[in-house]
Amino acid sequence: DGGITQSPKYLFRKEGQNVTLSCEQNLNHDAMYWYRQDPGQGLRLIYYSQIVNDFQKGDIAEGYSVSREKKESFPLTVTSAQKNPTAFYLCASRTGGKTNYGYTFGSGTRLTVV
Amino acid sequence: AQTVTQSQPEMSVQEAETVTLSCTYDTSENNYYLFWYKQPPSRQMILVIRQEAYKQQNATENRFSVNFQKAAKSFSLKISDSQLGDTAMYFCAFMKVLRGATNKLIFGTGTLLAVQP
Repeated sequence: DGGITQSPKYLFRKEGQNVTLSCEQNLNHDAMYWYRQDPGQGLRLIYYSQIVNDFQKGDIAEGYSVSREKKESFPLTVTSAQKNPTAFYLCASRTGGKTNYGYTFGSGTRLTVV
Repeated sequence: AQTVTQSQPEMSVQEAETVTLSCTYDTSENNYYLFWYKQPPSRQMILVIRQEAYKQQNATENRFSVNFQKAAKSFSLKISDSQLGDTAMYFCAFMKVLRGATNKLIFGTGTLLAVQP
């Protein structure tokens, strides 16, 4: 079955470390997105990519970086510059078609700073 | 910039009863989509219902229906015959539709719905 796989499910980071969250999709979707979820704040867009080798900053990109070397993969790196990285991270994808605006979400990664 | 407001942080409903979740949004756009997503304790985001702004008819999906008031920029979700499995966080979301646009989703802060037995 097609879908989005996020790994790991839980991730612990020490202060000053960079960590990378994986997001892989086999839906042949063009666009991919990273959202951060905090209690009481809904989901906020970190980065998005509409095609391979291209990506744009979302609303809260500071302290994060991404790459899009393959259509299927859109990893997110949480750098040491992100001052408050503890959150739930959701990856999503969407076909580029004009008539389908539905998103498919992964099951998320819970990142905790220890 | 578009914003989405959900003014009810938490709600409770008895099993088999009907409940309505509120959502308002602010935009100057004329072509957009509105969504309700459900996030159960598993934290998987599940699309509940979708409304195209150019359609006057309110969307329905089984026990779920919306009341879309475009002039008032209101988009409420009605859940009929509530079931225990409806217990979840519900997010209202907005998407602007333009050629070449990012089609990014803008979310409200969510309403935590508890269905009581």
